[in-house]
Amino acid sequence: GQQVMQIPQYQHVQEGEDFTTYCNSSTTLSNIQWYKQRPGGHPVFLIQLVKSGEVKKQKRLTFQFGEAKKNSSLHITATQTTDVGTYFCAGRNTDKLIFGTGTRLQVFP
Amino acid sequence: NAGVTQTPKFRVLKTGQSMTLLCAQDMNHEYMYWYRQDPGMGLRLIHYSVGEGTTAKGEVPDGYNVSRLKKQNFLLGLESAAPSQTSVYFCASDPQGSHNQPQHFGDGTRLSIL
Repeated sequence: GQQVMQIPQYQHVQEGEDFTTYCNSSTTLSNIQWYKQRPGGHPVFLIQLVKSGEVKKQKRLTFQFGEAKKNSSLHITATQTTDVGTYFCAGRNTDKLIFGTGTRLQVFP
Repeated sequence: NAGVTQTPKFRVLKTGQSMTLLCAQDMNHEYMYWYRQDPGMGLRLIHYSVGEGTTAKGEVPDGYNVSRLKKQNFLLGLESAAPSQTSVYFCASDPQGSHNQPQHFGDGTRLSIL
């Protein structure tokens, strides 16, 4: 079946450093969504990418969808302690989402 | 507008006991989903429903049953709980399984099986 992998599994950074998480699918995706889950919370939708090569920005967050629509990345510039949490990508497979394994980000002040 | 509400929030069961997790959404969404979340494994789909009266198996359906008798409710049942079912369970919904709609999640149910 379809698999969506994310790397790294964990990332610890000093506040102000940049952070990137990578998402790779075993099959071509129609779109990809990104979610953030704060510790003890539930996943919250961040953004969706649909087009090949698409790049979207939300303040310090930059999302990219690969040309082949099989990979994606999330880059955070100058991390803040409020960025702490687990970031999930999710690829659309017909009528359901396949979630990646997630990257847990810890930011030290 | 409460969104997606899950009950209970916490529960401890003994092996072999049964229970039902409740999920209710007030957004008139067609699609509803049950996931389990375990450390290092992300969110895995248990069962889902594309509309009232329908259910379908997800990635890890064994040991669980579901029902969608009303559009706004999606129930997840454990007939005979096992320690391997200790997990955090999330319910989610979206308008129509549409390619352009995000999923809305409940706060989760933390379930421990002793």
